[in-house]
Amino acid sequence: GAGVSQSPSNKVTEKGKDVELRCDPISGHTALYWYRQSLGQGLEFLIYFQGNSAPDKSGLPSDRFSAERTGGSVSTLTIQRTQQEDSAVYLCASSLAVHETQYFGPGTRLLVL
Amino acid sequence: GESVGLHLPTLSVQEGDNSIINCAYSNSASDYFIWYKQESGKGPQFIIDIRSNMDKRQGQRVTVLLNKTVKHLSLQIAATQPGDSAVYFCAESSGFQKLVFGTGTRLLVSP
Repeated sequence: GAGVSQSPSNKVTEKGKDVELRCDPISGHTALYWYRQSLGQGLEFLIYFQGNSAPDKSGLPSDRFSAERTGGSVSTLTIQRTQQEDSAVYLCASSLAVHETQYFGPGTRLLVL
Repeated sequence: GESVGLHLPTLSVQEGDNSIINCAYSNSASDYFIWYKQESGKGPQFIIDIRSNMDKRQGQRVTVLLNKTVKHLSLQIAATQPGDSAVYFCAESSGFQKLVFGTGTRLLVSP
């Protein structure tokens, strides 16, 4: 079956612009997670959704970052007024439920010039 | 805060050898541990996981060992193949929610 998909696969933007990153979870997965991976680093948790609600937003690095999930499926991560330090790979994962194994998408590579 | 670390940033082995990748964690409340494999340009791929009520779990060519006394996790890969070359991440969580990842170990397999 289809795995987690993310779009765009690559995004180059100018400092100060807003970007939207999209995640399509595995069908039927109720939990959805966003992580960020900086060059040569491990993954850093950003936020997760159970259904459409976000019980844990503790990983969002600043108020420029926000995420939403509608219909219990697709999620969008928005970064406003992008900064160069936002450059990273943004990874989405989904799981059948919160206490189940997380499966990752291929990521969106964001470069802020 | 929570942290998960890896002792060796790079592990080089010959094809056919057994590989052991180690991981230390600091949160004694962690109850779930997982290993991912990440190839260049791809997202992490699930390998194997283990819950804190177990100390060993086996998959196909892979075994995960958990030592809660010293807060240590290891991934053993039997008969390592060139296709196993990748970065391996351990991660842990408490309550099966957000995962806390280590920085990764690069495994290089020579033919």
